[in-house]
Amino acid sequence: DQQVKQNSPSLSVQEGRISILNCDYTNSMFDYFLWYKKYPAEGPTFLISISSIKDKNEDGRFTVFLNKSAKHLSLHIVPSQPGDSAVYFCAASGGNFNKFYFGSGTKLNVKP
Amino acid sequence: DTAVSQTPKYLVTQMGNDKSIKCEQNLGHDTMYWYKQDSKKFLKIMFSYNNKELIINETVPNRFSPKSPDKAHLNLHINSLELGDSAVYFCASSQEGLAGGEQYFGPGTRLTVT
Repeated sequence: DQQVKQNSPSLSVQEGRISILNCDYTNSMFDYFLWYKKYPAEGPTFLISISSIKDKNEDGRFTVFLNKSAKHLSLHIVPSQPGDSAVYFCAASGGNFNKFYFGSGTKLNVKP
Repeated sequence: DTAVSQTPKYLVTQMGNDKSIKCEQNLGHDTMYWYKQDSKKFLKIMFSYNNKELIINETVPNRFSPKSPDKAHLNLHINSLELGDSAVYFCASSQEGLAGGEQYFGPGTRLTVT
């Protein structure tokens, strides 16, 4: 029973265009969300986070949107670059910052 | 200078053996974790230690035993290895109260049980 789902296993985007990665969750107690980026043979690295008191958080080319009523968050990358090609995981926590639930990841391929 | 390191990176062993994976962090964090990435690619938390005390212990077979000799180290010992234990195991650390507790991951240990 997965509480965090990333239903698109892969996404291919042209360089310079927007990449939109989606994540859905089922637990209404989740109030903190993170995105991680993972290159092959490396561990995930933190990218951006959002608290449930906000609906948007921006950091450079990366923006995360949160729709609490739909239990949905998305990561926008604009403009996409070939170096962004990686697996992106979303993770959610219900206030216990020691315990995060991760999705299965979306593999992004940005074509030059 | 590696922040979270794991050894070994690859581990191939036979069913029934006992093996250990070591993890060290030099970030001064007070909390460490073990995750298992299964065949479906989900990252699932197994254990979490805060200042050497076990604080999260998910439904994991008791063949898995974490040990934290100090807050910079969290090792994972697995007894009587089974085929289903084959996975990538990630160690991570975080600092409680620091900007929402984002975790820093090691590079992973790919365990293959034959």
